[in-house]
Amino acid sequence: KQEVTQIPAALSVPEGENLVLNCSFTDSAIYNLQWFRQDPGKGLTSLLLIQSSQREQTSGRLNASLDKSSGRSTLYIAASQPGDSATYLCAVRGAQKLVFGQGTRLTINP
Amino acid sequence: NAGVTQTPKFQVLKTGQSMTLQCAQDMNHEYMSWYRQDPGMGLRLIHYSVGAGITDQGEVPNGYNVSRSTTEDFPLRLLSAAPSQTSVYFCASSFGGMNTEAFFGQGTRLTVV
Repeated sequence: KQEVTQIPAALSVPEGENLVLNCSFTDSAIYNLQWFRQDPGKGLTSLLLIQSSQREQTSGRLNASLDKSSGRSTLYIAASQPGDSATYLCAVRGAQKLVFGQGTRLTINP
Repeated sequence: NAGVTQTPKFQVLKTGQSMTLQCAQDMNHEYMSWYRQDPGMGLRLIHYSVGAGITDQGEVPNGYNVSRSTTEDFPLRLLSAAPSQTSVYFCASSFGGMNTEAFFGQGTRLTVV
């Protein structure tokens, strides 16, 4: 059974710092990995999708990497801003479903 | 482009009542699914559909029913609500195939008293 773990569960950093969020999964037989952002009381917004054959994807200040063989992905956020405060979820796609981690709650302090 | 639309946003039910959570997408996606999000449990798959007329069970299907009569709509029915079904429900959709991006609705917050 696929299990997805995100560490740390919560992170608080001052504005302007670069930071890394971690995601690990137990079964490397995945089709893709997706990073989402969730604001309090809101839905999930897709940030980046990495196919199983890719090593990384970039969108603006965000960069996600994937090492399928070791079961790890990282989300790098450059020059963090207070507006980046949210919960970040990673999810791996296996057969017919996404398996989610519990998320990292990120707070960027002005 | 509305994306994935869920209604209602909030609902309070009494134990034993039934209701339907609505989900519609306007992206012509073949694959649709329902998840519930609970503190400490993350998001878990309830039911999914790979196309009109085809549905299957996910990880936590008990107490829920689905049907898919059109490509656009995928309603979730609670047959007899229980307090354990208090949760936030999310509908998601994507194109068919395993290598596609999933899009989520804004969620329905359900409380069963």
